[in-house]
Amino acid sequence: NAGVTQTPKFQVLKTGQSMTLQCAQDMNHEYMSWYRQDPGMGLRLIHYSVGAGITDQGEVPNGYNVSRSTTEDFPLRLLSAAPSQTSVYFCASSSRTRDVEKLFFGSGTQLSVL
Amino acid sequence: AQSVAQPEDQVNVAEGNPLTVKCTYSVSGNPYLFWYVQYPNRGLQFLLKYITGDNLVKGSYGFEAEFNKSQTSFHLKKPSALVSDSALYFCAVRGSLASNTGKLIFGQGTTLQVKP
Repeated sequence: NAGVTQTPKFQVLKTGQSMTLQCAQDMNHEYMSWYRQDPGMGLRLIHYSVGAGITDQGEVPNGYNVSRSTTEDFPLRLLSAAPSQTSVYFCASSSRTRDVEKLFFGSGTQLSVL
Repeated sequence: AQSVAQPEDQVNVAEGNPLTVKCTYSVSGNPYLFWYVQYPNRGLQFLLKYITGDNLVKGSYGFEAEFNKSQTSFHLKKPSALVSDSALYFCAVRGSLASNTGKLIFGQGTTLQVKP
């Protein structure tokens, strides 16, 4: 049982480049979310999804897109990377029917935008 | 607006001593409160939660947390710290009036350093 898997673990981009951070979970969780972690600011919600085909914005959605075509996958797309997007990104999932606030996190993607 | 504050960036304790990591919150309605821990180069892991009931909540790895409604606080505690408890600790909250979609508001985190 792998839990929540994020790829890549590290990435360096140049300003203006685009990329997709991958997230997959094998727990059949309905809810999935993306957070960014910055020093002194904790975790901030970027986008979340309550099920396949349904996504919504979180606290800091600008510059990011998401889609949820399957229950398992929730990729995060950076459209045109900016230095302000340098951060550690975490994907999380939880069950709608069992302890919805018990989030299971991936191990993170450390992104640097030069 | 919902918010969580962790007033200490870092807490230092000696192994075997009791530890406290502080958290205060502001929410609409009754609070649902949580503690998560992050070990180096890992994702966050759930420690414990308070929804309702007894003000002292017990969680994983010997940790407990005390809910105080009048002080709007939810401090994490452990009677005897271990070096292996050294990690980054996050307090999180959801208000009962907020939608139940798994979204949490996280504090900025407190680094716990336990020295031998």
